Amino acid sequence: QSALTQPASVSGSPGQSITISCTGTSSDVGGYNYVSWYQQHPDKAPKLMIYDVTNRPSGVSNRFSGSKSGNTASLTISGLQAEDEADYYCTSYRTSSTYVFGTGTKVTVL
Amino acid sequence: EVQLVESGGGLVQPGRSLRISCTASGFIFDDYAMHWVRQAPGKGLEWVSGISWNTGTIGYADSVKGRFTISRENAKNSLYLQMNSLRPEDTALYYCAKAANYMLRDSYYDSWGQGTLVTVSS
Repeated sequence: QSALTQPASVSGSPGQSITISCTGTSSDVGGYNYVSWYQQHPDKAPKLMIYDVTNRPSGVSNRFSGSKSGNTASLTISGLQAEDEADYYCTSYRTSSTYVFGTGTKVTVL
Repeated sequence: EVQLVESGGGLVQPGRSLRISCTASGFIFDDYAMHWVRQAPGKGLEWVSGISWNTGTIGYADSVKGRFTISRENAKNSLYLQMNSLRPEDTALYYCAKAANYMLRDSYYDSWGQGTLVTVSS
């Protein structure tokens, strides 16, 4: 089971927007609208940021948004803030009741 | 408040077995699917296994299939992972994660524990 592909790192200045991509196949990202995104600060448990491609849980800032086109899902952070500096992971349902995570992206706020 | 507390991790020799547990509180445990996700030191997240609310649907990552067994005991609000034939590459922090619904399909993780560390080494 190969992981979904994410860029290793993305950076931006405060106030800017950045986008993290998550590329899979038609057996996972492209085949289902079951993509979610997680934020993980150092030595902390992950936190759900986006589910079912575009939905934001209550309590998550509306600066975070998700989308999907074909086999690639994306997470956009607008109005970048210092507290957004963290690792971000996508995950998708894959056939036969399994899931797969992305390789992870380190976001740096310059 | 949802709480997930993992336990049972430790140092184990290659080839041996270990069972880790997750005790849940703050929600109706048998209404939700549950998952195990692991993270090797300095590495990314890896989905390990998931189980639906009534154990009717279970899934495993290829890397653990045939060696690990997930189970749950709804009367005790508990989730388990029996790990056999452990390998050094199984060394990781194992997180228990609550799904947002009862199915294994469309399972995103809305609550996480703090993890239990499993180290496989001679």
